[in-house]
Parts: sequence; structure tokens; C-alpha cells
Amino acid sequence: SQTIHQWPATLVQPVGSPLSLECTVEGTSNPNLYWYRQAAGRGLQLLFYSVGIGQISSEVPQNLSASRPQDRQFILSSKKLLLSDSGFYLCAWGSTEAFFGQGTRLTVV
Amino acid sequence: AQSVSQHNHHVILSEAASLELGCNYSYGGTVNLFWYVQYPGQHLQLLLKYFSGDPLVKGIKGFEAEFIKSKFSFNLRKPSVQWSDTAEYFCAVNADSNYQLIWGAGTKLIIKP
Repeated sequence: SQTIHQWPATLVQPVGSPLSLECTVEGTSNPNLYWYRQAAGRGLQLLFYSVGIGQISSEVPQNLSASRPQDRQFILSSKKLLLSDSGFYLCAWGSTEAFFGQGTRLTVV
Repeated sequence: AQSVSQHNHHVILSEAASLELGCNYSYGGTVNLFWYVQYPGQHLQLLLKYFSGDPLVKGIKGFEAEFIKSKFSFNLRKPSVQWSDTAEYFCAVNADSNYQLIWGAGTKLIIKP
């Protein structure tokens, strides 16, 4: 069966520091992969999606970037975090139906 | 552009009350429809989905949803809620020709014991 791993679960980072959140999927090949940010009262905001290795589409211009170095690996990064980057980040895979990771609570201080 | 609207951001009910959470979408073509649930401290998980066929869809834990194409709606229902139904519920839509999910803002449901 397919599983999705996302880590870390929580992260506290100072303003200006770099960020790297990793997501890996097992049990499927060439999945569509997504990074979402979940904000209270605003649902899920799609940040990036990828349909294949090295193929990244950005939905919202911001301080973040994404990469897909391997078929089942999706990384969310930032060179310099802002306070406004604090939030809950979710990785997901799927096509018509999405399967989510456990999420990462990022607090930028 | 496609959009999904959930009518209530917060709903508070007593146990055994009936539940209906509204979801409307804007897209004129074929759609796939979903309800996801996020229990406190847990990850998002699929509650039920509609792709085609019977517009009344039954999901886990006694939930059901009805797709009414003429109203562009996919409302979630449960005849008698339990305290354990306390969670946040998200409606999502996927246009048949597009692999992206469009999400509603979510509804926080609180069930009073």
C-alpha cells in the first residue's frame, strides 16, 4: 500500500534562516506531488505541485521554493525565512484524490 | 476560475443532532467531489467522494453527501452526530480534465457532549 512520510512534525526556526521540509512517498511510482499550506479559516492553499522529476509548478509567488530530485521525493525550501512563513505545511500525493502527510507545524521566531 | 465555497466556518451542535454542511462549487463541466476530515491532532483523510453514478454517496462513520448538479452543490450530512465527530471538514473539487484539487475554506464542527 502507498504511504507518505513528511518530516519534521514541528519546527521552530529564526527569521532569516533556511528551511528544508522533506516528503517521500512509498508504494507508487510517478505520483503527482503537492505542497499545501493550511491556514485557520482559509482552508488549504496550494503552494507547489509536481507531475514528475524536476517539474515544479508554483501556484503562489512567495518566499518558498520546491524541488523534486527523485520520483517520490518532494522538498519545500526557503533561503531566508520570514515571520509570515509560519504555518502548517502539508505534503500530498495523488491525482483525482489526494493523500496527505502528517504535516509540519513551522514557527518562525 | 474554479472555486469552492463552504457556507459555515464554525458549527456547534449537541450530540444526536442532525448535521448538514454546505458546499458549492463553480465550474460548468464534469467534476469529481470530495469531503475530507481532519480530527484534532490527526492528518487530513478522505471522508467520501463522488466521481459518477448515484449522486447520493455514503462515506465512513455514517456520513453521506448528495451531489445536486443543478445547484452545483455537494452537501455533507449525518443524521445523528457524535462527540467524536468534532473535527474540521473540507470540501474539495477536481475538474475532470484537471488533476488539481480546489479546496473550500473548511468548517470547524464542534459537538457538545
